[in-house]
Amino acid sequence: DAGVIQSPRHEVTEMGQEVTLRCKPISGHNSLFWYRQTMMRGLELLIYFNNNVPIDDSGMPEDRFSAKMPNASFSTLKIQPSEPRDSAVYFCAVLKPWGNEKLFFGSGTQLSVL
Amino acid sequence: DQQVKQNSPSLSVQEGRISILNCDYTNSMFDYFLWYKKYPAEGPTFLISISSIKDKNEDGRFTVFLNKSAKHLSLHIVPSQPGDSAVYFCAAVRNSGNTPLVFGKGTRLSVIA
Repeated sequence: DAGVIQSPRHEVTEMGQEVTLRCKPISGHNSLFWYRQTMMRGLELLIYFNNNVPIDDSGMPEDRFSAKMPNASFSTLKIQPSEPRDSAVYFCAVLKPWGNEKLFFGSGTQLSVL
Repeated sequence: DQQVKQNSPSLSVQEGRISILNCDYTNSMFDYFLWYKKYPAEGPTFLISISSIKDKNEDGRFTVFLNKSAKHLSLHIVPSQPGDSAVYFCAAVRNSGNTPLVFGKGTRLSVIA
C-alpha cells in the first residue's frame, strides 16, 4: 500500500557487507516501528520512534543494527556487518491511533545474507 | 518471554467449514487485541480487533472472542474460503498510548477446496 513505502523489496548480499533498509511513511504519523519476521520468532519489534525520537531499541539484536529517523517521512535500518542469521523479512509500520487498525505495515524487505 | 502466544504453527481446514485460531497472552495490562492477516510477499493487514470491555466482536465471516479470565482469545472464520489461506498474527497492546503492539508467532491457515 502507498501508505508506507519500503525499499528495496528484496536484498541479497554477502556476509560482512553493509545493508541499509529504507522506509518512507506518508505524512501525519507520529510513530514508526521496525519489525522483523522469522519463522522461529514470528514478528518481533526491533525499535520504534515517536516524533522522530527513538523510544525503545531493546529489540535491536546487536550493535550491528542501527536505525535513524531524520525526519517524519523517512527512516533507515542499517546492519553492519551483516550475517546469515540476519536473513528475514523486515517491516516498517506506522501507528494509526485514530482507528481500530493501530498499525499500518509496508510490504517489507526480504533480506538474504549469504 | 513470549507475552502473546499462538501455539499452533499451522492449521488446515476444508472449504466451508469453520476455522478457529487461538491466542493466549500473559500480560494482564493488555486491553486491546487485534488479528492481522498476512499473504506472501505482502505486509500484515488488519483484520479485526476487540477491546477488553467486550467478549465478542463480529465482522462478516470473522468473529473474535475474548476470555479475559483465561487470558485467551480466538478468531473464528465461518465459512472458510480458499482466499482465507494466509498467516494470521494475534497482537495485543495497552490502548492508552503510542506503545508498540506485541505479536504472536503466527498461525498458517490453509483452506482446502
